[in-house]
Amino acid sequence: GENVEQHPSTLSVQEGDSAVIKCTYSDSASNYFPWYKQELGKGPQLIIDIRSNVGEKKDQRIAVTLNKTAKHFSLHITETQPEDSAVYFCAASISNFGNEKLTFGTGTRLTIIP
Amino acid sequence: DAGITQSPRHKVTETGTPVTLRCHQTENHRYMYWYRQDPGHGLRLIHYSYGVKDTDKGEVSDGYSVSRSKTEDFLLTLESATSSQTSVYFCAISAPGAGARDGYTFGSGTRLTVV
Repeated sequence: GENVEQHPSTLSVQEGDSAVIKCTYSDSASNYFPWYKQELGKGPQLIIDIRSNVGEKKDQRIAVTLNKTAKHFSLHITETQPEDSAVYFCAASISNFGNEKLTFGTGTRLTIIP
Repeated sequence: DAGITQSPRHKVTETGTPVTLRCHQTENHRYMYWYRQDPGHGLRLIHYSYGVKDTDKGEVSDGYSVSRSKTEDFLLTLESATSSQTSVYFCAISAPGAGARDGYTFGSGTRLTVV
């Protein structure tokens, strides 16, 4: 089955700097790669996703890049703010009309230092 | 989260007792999932459902069973709870992509402690 590795497990950055979280996946058939943000005591929330026919996607301060050849994808957060502090999860799946069966990475705890 | 609720939010139970967790959705989504979240493991799929009475196993299904008798409800049962099943359990729903932000919607989780 699919295996997703995520690095780093913890990341601290100064407010206003950029943060990058990286993931690798094992199944070359995977074609859907979402990122989730989890705040304390809450369920994960989708913040951005990318499909394998796209190399990069941006949404305001958040961007995701995908390298299918190397089987890795990354989350980039620019101009970080205190509210970006959370645990971030990457995931991968073979998307099948809404039945994603996501395999998740182990998470990155991002701390923004004021 | 809007449209999906889990109950109970917290539960403490004794080893060997059966436990049922409930996930209820109001979105009429076809697919529902149960994940468990443990430190160092991220979220791991226990079981999922692709319709009423249609369910299948995930990667960590041993010791768990599920049922889905109605579109809106997906129940997770621990047949005989063990300490290794102490975890936070999340339900999620999904539907065929209808836009840029499709994918899973998660519930708020159930924290289960087996003593």
